[in-house]
Order: sequence, then C-alpha cells, then structure tokens
Amino acid sequence: DTEVTQTPKHLVMGMTNKKSLKCEQHMGHRAMYWYKQKAKKPPELMFVYSYEKLSINESVPSRFSPECPNSSLLNLHLHALQPEDSALYLCASSQDPRTASYNEQFFGPGTRLTVL
Amino acid sequence: SQQGEEDPQALSIQEGENATMNCSYKTSINNLQWYRQNSGRGLVHLILIRSNEREKHSGRLRVTLDTSKKSSSLLITASRAADTASYFCATDAKNTGFQKLVFGTGTRLLVSP
Repeated sequence: DTEVTQTPKHLVMGMTNKKSLKCEQHMGHRAMYWYKQKAKKPPELMFVYSYEKLSINESVPSRFSPECPNSSLLNLHLHALQPEDSALYLCASSQDPRTASYNEQFFGPGTRLTVL
Repeated sequence: SQQGEEDPQALSIQEGENATMNCSYKTSINNLQWYRQNSGRGLVHLILIRSNEREKHSGRLRVTLDTSKKSSSLLITASRAADTASYFCATDAKNTGFQKLVFGTGTRLLVSP
C-alpha cells in the first residue's frame, strides 16, 4: 500500500466550530507532515512528526493543533479558525528519518477547507 | 524567505513539444526534488537529484542541477496533454536538516492537444 489517505475531502466550518482532519498511511513511514496550500501557491510546511513526536512547528497559530496517535495516523484539530485559514491542507509521509538519506515525500489528496 | 523561485510562472505548449521549467534556490542543499500537482490534488514525486549530481534522467524527464548558480531545470520531452499540471521544485537546506522541504513558487504547465 503506497497511499496516503485524507478525510474528509471537503470541509466547511464556521469560525466557532471544532473539527478535525485525518491522515493515514500504511507504508511504515516514521515521518509525517502537515502542509497548508493556498490557491496558486506552493505548499507551506506547518508541522513535522518524527517517530510520533512533534519535531518541527513552523510557528503555526494555536488554533491548529496536531496529534500523532500512532505511527500510521496524523490528525489536525481545528478550533476558532479564521476565513483566511481556508486552503487545501495536505498530509505527507516519508521513510525513516534516522536512516533515509533523502526525503521523498508521499502526499495525500488533501482536504479542501472553507471557513465561513 | 528560503522559498525558491520558479520560472516561467505559466507555460502553454502543444502536444509533442518540449517543456522546460527552471528553479532557483537560496541556500546550500542536500538534494533537490521535483513534484507534480494536478489541479487541487496532492503532489506526486517525480525525480530527485543529489547535490553532487549534475544531470539525471527518468523516462521523458531530464533534470539538471548547477549548485554554483543555485539553480535547476526540469525538461519534459514530447509532452502530452496528461502532463498538464503544476510543477514544483523542493529543496532541503543543509542547515535545517532534510526533513524540512521548501517548495518553489511553481510552474503551471498547459499542454494542448
């Protein structure tokens, strides 16, 4: 299985809602990533988890809360978002960061988030 | 910002023609990768070139890397309508570790039948 899955595909939420994005991979990868991508822009790194521990937080506002419950799952909890947070949220994974010599990332199809 | 620049921003060609897109980056790197993204979908890894390599081929793709100029190019030969997508270069800076990929601004390629 060489696939990264993300649910839901689309999400519309109000500014007072709490919702979660889910990402799953079964490739045995030990690094997982969240990216945010606005229209016609490149993906911007938000968080990196390595061996289920948060290793990089790119100064993301606390209304985004990541969680890595196990090596296959990555969640992004959303609370009190702003309309400018509307974007495509991409999850990615890559092989063992302790042994890999390069970082080829496998991406999911993304969740299209709209904040009203 | 560490973000790389790509040019052109958009490229429109006919099927069968070659497409060349360029990427410039700012810091010393371990590797440079190229990814493709179909409209509104996830990214797909195309090819990786290491900092000690100058050229690499994979099928209809040819990548060059010039570390002295901090630039790379991606050539797609004999393009097809299915090649229509956005193409991003991605670098991992030596001083931040290779887990942190920084993507270039992207080139939107349109291949017309």
